[in-house]
Amino acid sequence: AQSVTQLGSHVSVSEGALVLLRCNYSSSVPPYLFWYVQYPNQGLQLLLKYTSAATLVKGINGFEAEFKKSETSFHLTKPSAHMSDAAEYFCAVTNNAGNMLTFGGGTRLMVKP
Amino acid sequence: NAGVTQTPKFQVLKTGQSMTLQCAQDMNHNSMYWYRQDPGMGLRLIYYSASEGTTDKGEVPNGYNVSRLNKREFSLRLESAAPSQTSVYFCASSEWRGRGNTEAFFGQGTRLTVV
Repeated sequence: AQSVTQLGSHVSVSEGALVLLRCNYSSSVPPYLFWYVQYPNQGLQLLLKYTSAATLVKGINGFEAEFKKSETSFHLTKPSAHMSDAAEYFCAVTNNAGNMLTFGGGTRLMVKP
Repeated sequence: NAGVTQTPKFQVLKTGQSMTLQCAQDMNHNSMYWYRQDPGMGLRLIYYSASEGTTDKGEVPNGYNVSRLNKREFSLRLESAAPSQTSVYFCASSEWRGRGNTEAFFGQGTRLTVV
């Protein structure tokens, strides 16, 4: 079974500071990994996805994530936080058939002015 | 383009009552899902349907039933609601095009309270 673990349920950064949200995965086969964002009272929307084409993946809103097989990690970063980045972020992995998406527990990002 | 539409947005039930959450997608996706979201637990899969006519249990299926009415619609039924089913429910759909080429689209959620 595949799973993801997000370290830190809450992360607080100052506006303009680096954002780093951690995700580690467990998979017996090469995984397909995703980051989703959820703004208050909304559904989830895709930030970026790793499909094995490139280890550094760029997403929307200036976010990127790097797949590191040796560390079984897929951490999400953004060089400079903006107030509008405050949201909950979910890492997810899909099975090989692509019909079951498993989510981590989520990390709530708070951005201080 | 509506994407994934869920109804209702809010619902309050009394313990023991039944209700059906409706979900429809207009993207011609084969796969559809029902998740529940609880604080600190992320999204947990209740049921999914890989294609029209098939349904499978996810991580937390107890107390729920589903129907894949057609390719567009996937409903979730609570036969006898319990306070433990108080949660936010999300429907999602996706299409698998191989090698990770997929994206799940989510509805806006249904906030259910069971008293």
